[in-house]
Amino acid sequence: NAGVTQTPKFQVLKTGQSMTLQCAQDMNHNSMYWYRQDPGMGLRLIYYSASEGTTDKGEVPNGYNVSRLNKREFSLRLESAAPSQTSVYFCASRSDTDTALGPQHFGDGTRLSIL
Amino acid sequence: GENVEQHPSTLSVQEGDSAVIKCTYSDSASNYFPWYKQELGKRPQLIIDIRSNVGEKKDQRIAVTLNKTAKHFSLHITETQPEDSAVYFCAASYNYGQNFVFGPGTRLSVLP
Repeated sequence: NAGVTQTPKFQVLKTGQSMTLQCAQDMNHNSMYWYRQDPGMGLRLIYYSASEGTTDKGEVPNGYNVSRLNKREFSLRLESAAPSQTSVYFCASRSDTDTALGPQHFGDGTRLSIL
Repeated sequence: GENVEQHPSTLSVQEGDSAVIKCTYSDSASNYFPWYKQELGKRPQLIIDIRSNVGEKKDQRIAVTLNKTAKHFSLHITETQPEDSAVYFCAASYNYGQNFVFGPGTRLSVLP
C-alpha cells in the first residue's frame, strides 16, 4: 500500500517552461489536494478536488492548472514557470465520507526550482 | 471561512521537559482537529487527531485537548526527546465540506 505517490521528486526548470506534476493515491479517497510550501513557511492550498470531475481553487491558484483524471490521479500543471513558483509541492488525499471524516495523507513532495 | 492561529511560532525546551502548542479556530462548525509533524525535508505526517465530541485524547507521550466553547485546542508533548524536534502544524476542518485549514506551524527544538 503506497499511499500517495508524487512524481517527479526533483525538477529544475527554466523560466517560461511548462511541466506537469503527477500525483496518485491508492486509498480510494474522494478528495485530493495540491499545496505549496515555501522555505520556513506553512502549507498554502493551490487547488483541490472533492471528487472525480470536479476541481476548485484554493488560496494561491494563479499560474497553475489541475486535472482530476480519475479517482486515483490529480495532476498539477505549470503552463509558464516563473521563479516565484520555486517551492516544494505536496499532494494530499483525504477520506471524507459521512462516517469516515479523516486526516489528509501527504505524498513525499516535489522539489521544484525555476531558474 | 475558517482561520486557524497557532502559538508559539518557535519553542525551545530541554530534553525531558513538556511542550505545549496552542491553536485557535474561528468557525464554530469545525469538528475535526488533526496535528501534523514535519521533519526537515519530509512530508507532514499525522501524529494525533481529535473530534468535537471528545475533550481529550492521549497517545503515549502525546495528548490533545479541545475546548469547543473557547474554540481552541492544544498539543501536549511530555518527556520530550531530541527526535521530537520538528515543525508541528494544527488544522481545523468540518464535515460535508472541503474546508481544511492549517495553522502556520510551530518549530519545536528539544535541546539535549
